[in-house]
Amino acid sequence: QKEVEQNSGPLSVPEGAIASLNCTYSDRGSQSFFWYRQYSGKSPELIMSIYSNGDKEDGRFTAQLNKASQYVSLLIRDSQPSDSATYLCALPRLGKLTFGKGITLSVRP
Amino acid sequence: EAQVTQNPRYLITVTGKKLTVTCSQNMNHEYMSWYRQDPGLGLRQIYYSMNVEVTDKGDVPEGYKVSRKEKRNFPLILESPSPNQTSLYFCASSFYMNTEAFFGQGTRLTVV
Repeated sequence: QKEVEQNSGPLSVPEGAIASLNCTYSDRGSQSFFWYRQYSGKSPELIMSIYSNGDKEDGRFTAQLNKASQYVSLLIRDSQPSDSATYLCALPRLGKLTFGKGITLSVRP
Repeated sequence: EAQVTQNPRYLITVTGKKLTVTCSQNMNHEYMSWYRQDPGLGLRQIYYSMNVEVTDKGDVPEGYKVSRKEKRNFPLILESPSPNQTSLYFCASSFYMNTEAFFGQGTRLTVV
């Protein structure tokens, strides 16, 4: 299993729907998890950090962490066309932030 | 404003001509790193630095050099660029290795 995997995608949802983005990881000792949003040609922008099991909400974004199952997810409620971007899951490991390949989300007006 | 600043944003150069991409952060972060991003390969770390005068290789260090003489600056040096180093480069900084990283605007490098 790769260190960080984001297998689903690209993802297309209608405006106003809930977008669900998933990420699995291999290192059971991982303690910190981050979600970044990246618009085409731009730099990754941190949108959520999560450190403990359960849910963390910030506006329309909810990060969910399940350490036993080794997955972290990002839910985007009331999706907007401006949410169309690539979403990267990342976790610190061995001296670096390890990123998944990303999931490209398209929100249809 | 807290930020990571990279320069230049765009660069076209010829094979073998040494170049430096600068990176500076004003957040007093200990940890800085360089990534390159290529289609289908995602973000890959080139080098990182845990503090002044402490640097180490990432996943793809070949053909690159770095230095960390001051806490705020972490330049990336390509001493003899080759076409396979054509890529989008990002500098990032964080307080420590395991904390959130903040990225510079990116440098799109083309080597012909």
